[in-house]
Amino acid sequence: TQLLEQSPQFLSIQEGENLTVYCNSSSVFSSLQWYRQEPGEGPVLLVTVVTGGEVKKLKRLTFQFGDARKDSSLHITAAQPGDTGLYLCAGEENSGYALNFGKGTSLLVTP
Amino acid sequence: NAGVTQTPKFRVLKTGQSMTLLCAQDMNHEYMYWYRQDPGMGLRLIHYSVGEGTTAKGEVPDGYNVSRLKKQNFLLGLESAAPSQTSVYFCASSLGLAGAIGYFGPGTRLTVT
Repeated sequence: TQLLEQSPQFLSIQEGENLTVYCNSSSVFSSLQWYRQEPGEGPVLLVTVVTGGEVKKLKRLTFQFGDARKDSSLHITAAQPGDTGLYLCAGEENSGYALNFGKGTSLLVTP
Repeated sequence: NAGVTQTPKFRVLKTGQSMTLLCAQDMNHEYMYWYRQDPGMGLRLIHYSVGEGTTAKGEVPDGYNVSRLKKQNFLLGLESAAPSQTSVYFCASSLGLAGAIGYFGPGTRLTVT
């Protein structure tokens, strides 16, 4: 099982600040996904990246897949309280086995 | 279109009891998954299915059994519950294997005493 390491584990910031969370592995993934999970709910898919170096934007969220397809980052610009949640990255092995998830970054944005 | 639904939402079992968690999806997805989520451990795959009548083991299958008799349903069974199975269980479905699992259920919180 590939190990996906997410950092930081916890992040508490004020509204309006920028932040970046990271997802790293020593293994190559054919695709990588980012999810956001709110308390008491299931994860919700935010984005899938498949090409090395790919950058995708979703409003104030910017996702980047590393050139070697071993790592990814999520950058949030001008964070809002509604961004609060657990951010999970998940990677698809080349063999097509089901996703492996990182342990997540818990983000708290205070007004 | 309800997406992925799970029943029950909460359950408390005593050690040794059995139960079945039901997952249903109305999106005609071929692939379905059962994950468990524990503090500090992330989401771990228990079993998955690539189509009606098929099942396969994931990362942590011991103590669980599954069945996919109908395409829209994926059942997770605990034959003899143990305290180590206290967790939040999530069902998910997707169009393709692995790929992007686009839809997760709301979860079942299980406590085994």
